[in-house]
Amino acid sequence: QTVVTQEPSLTVSPGGTVTLTCASSTGAVTSGYYPNWFQQKPGQAPRALIYSTTNKYSWTPARFSGSLLGGKAALTLSGVQPEDEAEYYCLVYYGGAQVFGGGTKLTVL
Amino acid sequence: QVQLQESGPGLVKPSQTLSLTCTVSGGSISSGSYYWNWIRQPAGKGLEWIGRIYTSGSTNYNPSLKSRVTISADTSKNQFSLKLTSVTAADTAVYYCAREDCTGSTCSPGDYWGQGTLVTVSS
Repeated sequence: QTVVTQEPSLTVSPGGTVTLTCASSTGAVTSGYYPNWFQQKPGQAPRALIYSTTNKYSWTPARFSGSLLGGKAALTLSGVQPEDEAEYYCLVYYGGAQVFGGGTKLTVL
Repeated sequence: QVQLQESGPGLVKPSQTLSLTCTVSGGSISSGSYYWNWIRQPAGKGLEWIGRIYTSGSTNYNPSLKSRVTISADTSKNQFSLKLTSVTAADTAVYYCAREDCTGSTCSPGDYWGQGTLVTVSS
């Protein structure tokens, strides 16, 4: 069974920069896995932020960016705001199936 | 504006079948290049992709759930449904439906989500 791994938790100061990563048990994550990123706040449905590695939705704040970094998918937040405190999930495609990462709890402190 | 709304029993007995429906408004589930997905989240845990159905009716399922899952669509009602058989307490979760837009060169999953519905498996 394919496992997608994220950092369980990260802490960042307001105004700072933080990078969350997403690794696959099958090997390097490439653009062909079309990695996606979601933000979820308590009691809410997830909200899509990034699709197909780097692409933003119309509602995605400019401070969020997606990339590939050292064989992993990455989500970078630059100029972190207090409202960015949330759980972040990556989603990776494996052919017709999709697998979510375990999530990263981002604390803004 | 596309909207999705889950509905179905909030309580299911062990060994029985969980049945949920997602009603879509603001767009047709049978036109365009869209997948219609089911995703679940146990309390305090992460997201799990369950499966999806395309506008053509083709389906894909999570391999770990495939033997118990069926996703179908009723285009006359603009709804798609989830059936999960032989449920146990481990299937207790918030179940979400979500749209995946594949009209571009790549797919953008989860551009629209339902609010989620809690299903508890208990006798």
